[in-house]
Amino acid sequence: QSVLTQPPSASGTPGQRVTISCSGSSSNIGSNYVYWYQQLPGTAPKLLIYRNNQRPSGVPDRFSGSKSGTSASLAISGLRSEDEADYYCAAWDDSLSGDVVFGGGTKLTVL
Amino acid sequence: EVQLVESGGGLVQPGGSLRLSCAASGFTFSSYAMSWVRQAPGKGLEWVSSISGSGDTTHYADSVKGRFTISRDNSKNTLYLQMNSLRAEDTAIYYCAKDRAMSSSAFLDYWGQGTLVTVSS
Repeated sequence: QSVLTQPPSASGTPGQRVTISCSGSSSNIGSNYVYWYQQLPGTAPKLLIYRNNQRPSGVPDRFSGSKSGTSASLAISGLRSEDEADYYCAAWDDSLSGDVVFGGGTKLTVL
Repeated sequence: EVQLVESGGGLVQPGGSLRLSCAASGFTFSSYAMSWVRQAPGKGLEWVSSISGSGDTTHYADSVKGRFTISRDNSKNTLYLQMNSLRAEDTAIYYCAKDRAMSSSAFLDYWGQGTLVTVSS
């Protein structure tokens, strides 16, 4: 059971807009930045969104992030076949000794 | 160009030990915290441990606390993970990841390709 809760799957057709949610608590999302990672099949994870809504250089502006309270979301607009991947949210958790916590991941299928 | 290359994975029996290494290049290694993140077959990402840039602060997931030890040699630009008392549930691909800050966070901006650890008799 992951500390951050994501839907296990999401899907959309090319060109559509898809959102993936990430729910946490006051000790993680509620008080720290949220990060999103993309893992294409058979590859290592890659940073997609940092500090809630910032994109690293090279990440298309079709990807956007937002945060409100103890929840966050990743939006992908103009969906493309190459966006088919697993997406994970992550945040620092202030409870106990401090940890990085991940969501369980959302598998995005482009129909 | 930032490069992270893990090594040391393999097959080990339950109760055994293994030491993973992560050779870093392309950045000032001592200026950044580093983390180990693992992924069991067909499962999601699980953070394992992190260490500050200076090496004086470490963090561990409850699932590995007391069994795994993270360390770094800034003179060799290398991160380590000593894994003792290994269990079947430790079977996973282990990724090393560079943090964007000197102290540990969830801001992991570069990842290695991973090394597979299999715990089985």
